Amino acid sequence: QSALTQPASVSGSPGRSITISCTGTSSDVGGYNYVSWYQQHPGKAPKLIIYDVSNRPSGISNRFSGSKSANTASLTISGLQAEDEAHYYCSSYTSSSTPLFGGGTKLTVL
Amino acid sequence: QVQLQESGPGLVKSSETLSLTCTVSGGSISSYYWNWIRQPPGKGLEWIGYIFYNGSPNYNSSLKSRVTISVDTSKNQLSLNLSSVTAADTAVYYCARGSRTRGPLNYWGHGTLVTVSS
Repeated sequence: QSALTQPASVSGSPGRSITISCTGTSSDVGGYNYVSWYQQHPGKAPKLIIYDVSNRPSGISNRFSGSKSANTASLTISGLQAEDEAHYYCSSYTSSSTPLFGGGTKLTVL
Repeated sequence: QVQLQESGPGLVKSSETLSLTCTVSGGSISSYYWNWIRQPPGKGLEWIGYIFYNGSPNYNSSLKSRVTISVDTSKNQLSLNLSSVTAADTAVYYCARGSRTRGPLNYWGHGTLVTVSS
């Protein structure tokens, strides 16, 4: 099964907002509300920042928000900070009850 | 606080079997879904498979013929075996915990780099 589609890179200035898209099919993103987003800094393990499309785990800033429309999920980061510079990966469960990751997006804070 | 720690050889010869262990501390391995994910250098994440602590494993179809995941509840450990490895299996391997079926991976190990040599 092919990876979910994410832009390779996005950038934004401190204090501004950016949105990262994650496009799949009706057999994964569009079919279930089981989309998660992970943040990964260089040399570190991924960290869960959004689950079930729009829920934040305890301790995650409310600057991170998630949404979904049809087969595309989105992660929005508002009030960009230098520490937000990282790779971001989306994930969705599929009709086979197995998780599928996106290719990842590198966020650069200008 | 739940902690996961991967361990195993950092170098494996081509055609041999890669074997890794994930030790869970700060909580029981009973309940929850236990996953293995890998990340080739400079590339994205690839899910390998998961196992419920007392259930059957579920594997990525692209790796299914070579993968075995198991749980040892007496040792609070998760294991991964990947046979007939090639250079394409060189990656950082992570273990991660999912809290429910189709649930997010909310705890991750630090990862361990495995290099396949010819």
